[in-house]
Parts: sequence; structure tokens; C-alpha cells
Amino acid sequence: NAGVTQTPKFRILKIGQSMTLQCTQDMNHNYMYWYRQDPGMGLKLIYYSVGAGITDKGEVPNGYNVSRSTTEDFPLRLELAAPSQTSVYFCASSLDSSLNTEAFFGQGTRLTVV
Amino acid sequence: KNEVEQSPQNLTAQEGEFITINCSYSVGISALHWLQQHPGGGIVSLFMLSSGKKKHGRLIATINIQEKHSSLHITASHPRDSAVYICAVSKLSGGSQGNLIFGKGTKLSVKP
Repeated sequence: NAGVTQTPKFRILKIGQSMTLQCTQDMNHNYMYWYRQDPGMGLKLIYYSVGAGITDKGEVPNGYNVSRSTTEDFPLRLELAAPSQTSVYFCASSLDSSLNTEAFFGQGTRLTVV
Repeated sequence: KNEVEQSPQNLTAQEGEFITINCSYSVGISALHWLQQHPGGGIVSLFMLSSGKKKHGRLIATINIQEKHSSLHITASHPRDSAVYICAVSKLSGGSQGNLIFGKGTKLSVKP
């Protein structure tokens, strides 16, 4: 099993550009999450999904969109990149709600918006 | 005030020392997670616990639900233990979200 795979690992975007951060997991997990990690701060939830076709906003969703057409994939879309979106992004998955199950994380995507 | 507080923020130790990282939280939880993040790397789950104590190799995690406190101990520390250790709690919010609330992390550096 590869676990949770994120691509790309690094990306520099210009203000106003768009991009999609890819996330895929091969553990047949129902729950998937996108977090952002800013310096000196704890991870913040952007969006999450409890299964294919179902997504919902987390704590900091503005400027992002997601989709969940399959169990495996949960891409994160930035439509109009802004400097405030410079961050490290982590995708995670868990079999069920993270209330009771271990969460698995990807390697992260370091995004810089200039 | 953050719902999850970790201490210390930074910790430098000599190889072989016994290390303790603390986590306090102010919300009702169903589980507490300890995670490890290496520089430039991803995040790995070390422990998930809801009571008592768990041990993996040189790592020990304890939780006291009544005091809303958890500790992560590393025995016989080694330079390869250098990483950021993150405490996260599964908050009892009543919803299906199962969101994790994260502490800011403790940066550990173990010198040879």
C-alpha cells in the first residue's frame, strides 16, 4: 500500500493563477481531509469528505474548492491564488471519523504564491 | 486560548536523555493523537489513545482524561528522534466531521 500520496511536493504560483493539489489514497478510507499548516500554527482544516460525492467546509475554506468523485481521490483546487495561501498543505485519510481511528497523512505540498 | 496547548515549544536534548513533551486540552475528546513531523517530510501517526498508556519501542504516551492532559515520553533519545511532535485531539462536537484539533507542535532537537 502506498498510503496517502500527494502531488506536487513543491509549487510556486503567481498571484491569480490556479492549480490543483492532488491527493489519492489506496486504503479504501471513507474520510479524507485537507489541512494547511502555517508557521507557528497548528494545522487547520480546509475541507473534508466523508465519502464519495460528499464534501463539506472546514475551518478555513475560503479560496479553495474540492471534489470527491471516487473513494480514492480528493483534489484541492485553488482558483485565484493569493499570497495568503502560501502554506504547507496536507491531505489525510481515515477509515472512519477520526474520532476513533488513526489518521494517515500525505507528505505535504509546499506552496508559495508570489 | 487555544483548545490544545503543548509545552515546551522547543526542546534541545543530549543523546541518551529522557524527554517529556506535554499536551493539555480544554474540550471534551474521544481520543488524543500524537504525531511526528520530520523536517521537510510528512506527518506520521505515533499514537492514538483514549485512556491509560501506550508504548512503541522507546516512545511512551500517557493520558489523564480527568486532568485533560497527555504526555509523550522518549527514552534513551537519539538524534534521529529530532522532529516536530504534534498533539491533536478528536473533539466531541456531536457532528460527523470527526475533526482533529491540533496543537502548535514541539520542536525537538537531539544533539549527539
